[in-house]
Amino acid sequence: GNSVTQMEGPVTLSEEAFLTINCTYTATGYPSLFWYVQYPGEGLQLLLKATKADDKGSNKGFEATYRKETTSFHLEKGSVQVSDSAVYFCALTSSENSWGKLQFGAGTQVVVTP
Amino acid sequence: GAVVSQHPSWVICKSGTSVKIECRSLDFQATTMFWYRQFPKQSLMLMATSNEGSKATYEQGVEKDKFLINHASLTLSTLTVTSAHPEDSSFYICSARATLLGQPQHFGDGTRLSIL
Repeated sequence: GNSVTQMEGPVTLSEEAFLTINCTYTATGYPSLFWYVQYPGEGLQLLLKATKADDKGSNKGFEATYRKETTSFHLEKGSVQVSDSAVYFCALTSSENSWGKLQFGAGTQVVVTP
Repeated sequence: GAVVSQHPSWVICKSGTSVKIECRSLDFQATTMFWYRQFPKQSLMLMATSNEGSKATYEQGVEKDKFLINHASLTLSTLTVTSAHPEDSSFYICSARATLLGQPQHFGDGTRLSIL
């Protein structure tokens, strides 16, 4: 079955530091990959997505590249801000789950200090 | 971008009460909607998949009679927690997906349910 593994948090950074959150996956076929962000007390917001190998998703300074050879979709941001403090979820969907259900990673809490 | 509205955002009620949570897709038609439950500092747990015009598909271990789901239109799904008890207290989140394959799910802001 499908699975998503994320690095454990919390990740604590100073403002303007470089952020990387590792995400690897197991899936049959060619899944679509997503990063979602959850701010305290809120639902999830789609941050970026990639639907095929070598695609790069980007949004709000965040980037992630779909690497089929390493089954990875690591999230990066070059210079974080305090407002980036949140929980980040890596997720996938594939034909195995009818292109509907999302398989989530455990989430990684990011704390950015001034 | 796509917007999903979830209501109410917070509800407190007495044990034994039934609570209804609404999930609406505001600017697209959602053939499929999903209901999740999230415990503090944990990931989302899928409870059920709701397809417009048909019965919901529940995940293993989720009580159908406890969590009633209705998806009567392409823009509205409801979750009713029947005879709620303190152990049902949680953060419930819905999501909606447009009809096209590969489209991402868009999430509501969640409902915090507290049963006294």
